[in-house]
Amino acid sequence: GAGVSQSPRYKVAKRGQDVALRCDPISGHVSLFWYQQALGQGPEFLTYFQNEAQLDKSGLPSDRFFAERPEGSVSTLKIQRTQQEDSAVYLCASSQWGVEAFFGQGTRLTVV
Amino acid sequence: ELKVEQNPLFLSMQEGKNYTIYCNYSTTSDRLYWYRQDPGKSLESLFVLLSNGAVKQEGRLMASLDTKARLSTLHITAAVHDLSATYFCAVDNMEYGNKLVFGAGTILRVKS
Repeated sequence: GAGVSQSPRYKVAKRGQDVALRCDPISGHVSLFWYQQALGQGPEFLTYFQNEAQLDKSGLPSDRFFAERPEGSVSTLKIQRTQQEDSAVYLCASSQWGVEAFFGQGTRLTVV
Repeated sequence: ELKVEQNPLFLSMQEGKNYTIYCNYSTTSDRLYWYRQDPGKSLESLFVLLSNGAVKQEGRLMASLDTKARLSTLHITAAVHDLSATYFCAVDNMEYGNKLVFGAGTILRVKS
């Protein structure tokens, strides 16, 4: 596609439910990033992939958060046993190596 | 640790007026970015600044970078209502991995 595509755009989860958020990067982009943006805040880094390798997961807030990119293209961010504090917009970005990243429209997660 | 501070966090201005948003960062950076975000939307890249003294302009917005002072400015000339949005600066530094570190954002409201 022309840009980074994320799905779903909106997700409402009951506390304790598991969720999976999908990111389709721009074709051919090696690097893929996940960020979390809480309401009224700037995005905060979660994790980074280069192809299928997860090179940095230092921003994942707990072991309930897990990300994968098994074939070096589509990535999934999974959150287990969701909590209210997980409510945020989750942004995915992709880039060629060392070049500016392009952001998707995000998934707004609301945990009730 | 790489940190980014923006000020002001909120800016209300009249149409036709000029103003500047400031972005300070804590350590050397490889690149500095300015993004625009409209409510419920993703991040739109405005400028990427690479070197000391870099200046870029697009319409009523002009961004500059002083790497010695670790300061970037986003200057708004003769503001119009359509510029109302949240503006983020962000930096990256390969020593900290490939992630972007964002400021908290400046909410700009241009009043007619």
